[in-house]
Amino acid sequence: SQQGEEDPQALSIQEGENATMNCSYKTSINNLQWYRQNSGRGLVHLILIRSNEREKHSGRLRVTLDTSKKSSSLLITASRAADTASYFCATAGAGGNNRLAFGKGNQVVVIP
Amino acid sequence: NAGVTQTPKFRVLKTGQSMTLLCAQDMNHEYMYWYRQDPGMGLRLIHYSVGEGTTAKGEVPDGYNVSRLKKQNFLLGLESAAPSQTSVYFCASRTHLGGSYNEQFFGPGTRLTVL
Repeated sequence: SQQGEEDPQALSIQEGENATMNCSYKTSINNLQWYRQNSGRGLVHLILIRSNEREKHSGRLRVTLDTSKKSSSLLITASRAADTASYFCATAGAGGNNRLAFGKGNQVVVIP
Repeated sequence: NAGVTQTPKFRVLKTGQSMTLLCAQDMNHEYMYWYRQDPGMGLRLIHYSVGEGTTAKGEVPDGYNVSRLKKQNFLLGLESAAPSQTSVYFCASRTHLGGSYNEQFFGPGTRLTVL
């Protein structure tokens, strides 16, 4: 099954800075999704980008998708302490199996 | 709406014991999923269901069984728990409306320790 793979694994930044994390995958996708997980909690959906889209924005989030390179990036602008969390990318395959394949996650720490 | 709820929140089992994890959703979603999350491993799909009365195997189904007798509930069973099943278990659901592959809604998780 395809797997998202985030890079880097851990990121520590100062409040107000931007945070960028990347995700690569191996096979054709229908869409790619990013989720956030606060410590000890469930995952929360952030944004979905379809395979025919190249960039998408939602508030302080910007996601790009390069299907030729099979990669995506998530940018969080003007980070806040509340953005401290783990971020996961997940891919929905083009084959129609109703499943998501999750990456291993990026841990982001925003220092106040 | 409560969204996706999971019962229990924590559980400690001895090797060989059995237990059932309950997931309930009040969003009338067709699809439901059970994942496990282990340190450094991300989320791995155990079993899933595309509708009431249906179940299918995911990436790591061995040692687990599931049932979807009611649309709003998805049960995960461990017949004979093993230490390798120590993990955090997450349930998720999503609608089938508006096209495929839309976002999943997650429960808060169940932390299971098998001694």
